[in-house]
Amino acid sequence: NAGVTQTPKFQVLKTGQSMTLQCAQDMNHEYMSWYRQDPGMGLRLIHYSVGAGITDQGEVPNGYNVSRSTTEDFPLRLLSAAPSQTSVYFCASSYGTRPQETQYFGPGTRLLVL
Amino acid sequence: GNSVTQMEGPVTLSEEAFLTINCTYTATGYPSLFWYVQYPGEGLQLLLKATKADDKGSNKGFEATYRKETTSFHLEKGSVQVSDSAVYFCALRQNSGGSNYKLTFGKGTLLTVNP
Repeated sequence: NAGVTQTPKFQVLKTGQSMTLQCAQDMNHEYMSWYRQDPGMGLRLIHYSVGAGITDQGEVPNGYNVSRSTTEDFPLRLLSAAPSQTSVYFCASSYGTRPQETQYFGPGTRLLVL
Repeated sequence: GNSVTQMEGPVTLSEEAFLTINCTYTATGYPSLFWYVQYPGEGLQLLLKATKADDKGSNKGFEATYRKETTSFHLEKGSVQVSDSAVYFCALRQNSGGSNYKLTFGKGTLLTVNP
C-alpha cells in the first residue's frame, strides 16, 4: 500500500491564481480530511468527507473547496490564492469516524502564495 | 469545545536523558488520545494512542497513560536518542456529531536531542 499520497510537494502561486492539491489513498478509507499547519498553531481542519459524495466544512474552510467523487481521491481547490493561504497542507484518512480509529497522514504540500 | 494543551518548547536534551512532554485536554465524554510525531520535512506519523481511561499506549520506547481524573496524556521516554529529534503533537478525537470527527491538536513541541 502506498498509504496517503499528496501532490505536488511544493508549489509557488501568485495572488489570485487557482490550483488543486491532490490527495489519494489506497486503503479503502471512508473518512478523509484536509488540515493546514501554521507555525505555533498546530493543525487546523479545513474540510472533511465521510464518504464519496459527502463533504463538510471544518474550522477554516474559507477560500477552499473540496469534492469527493470517489472513495480514493479528495482534492482541495484554492479558487483565488491569497498570501494568508501560505501554509503546509496535509491530507489524512481513516477507515471510519470512530474516535479510536487512527488517522493516517500524507507527506504534505508546502504552498507559498506571493 | 474540545481543546488540547501541551507544553511549549523547544525542549533540548542530551542523549540518554529522560523525556516528559506534558499534555492536558478538555473534552466532553470519552475521547481517544493520540501522540503524533513529525520528523523534519515529513508528514505526521502516529506514535501511540489510548482509547479509554487508564490505557497505556507505547511504541519505540515512548509511553503515555490516559488519565481521565487529571485529563492528561503525558508522553515519556526513559532514554532519548538523537534520532528522536522531531516535533511531537498531542491530539484527541471524539464523536459528538458535526465536525467532531476531526482530530483536535495541540500546538506541538519541538524536541532536539544532542549527542
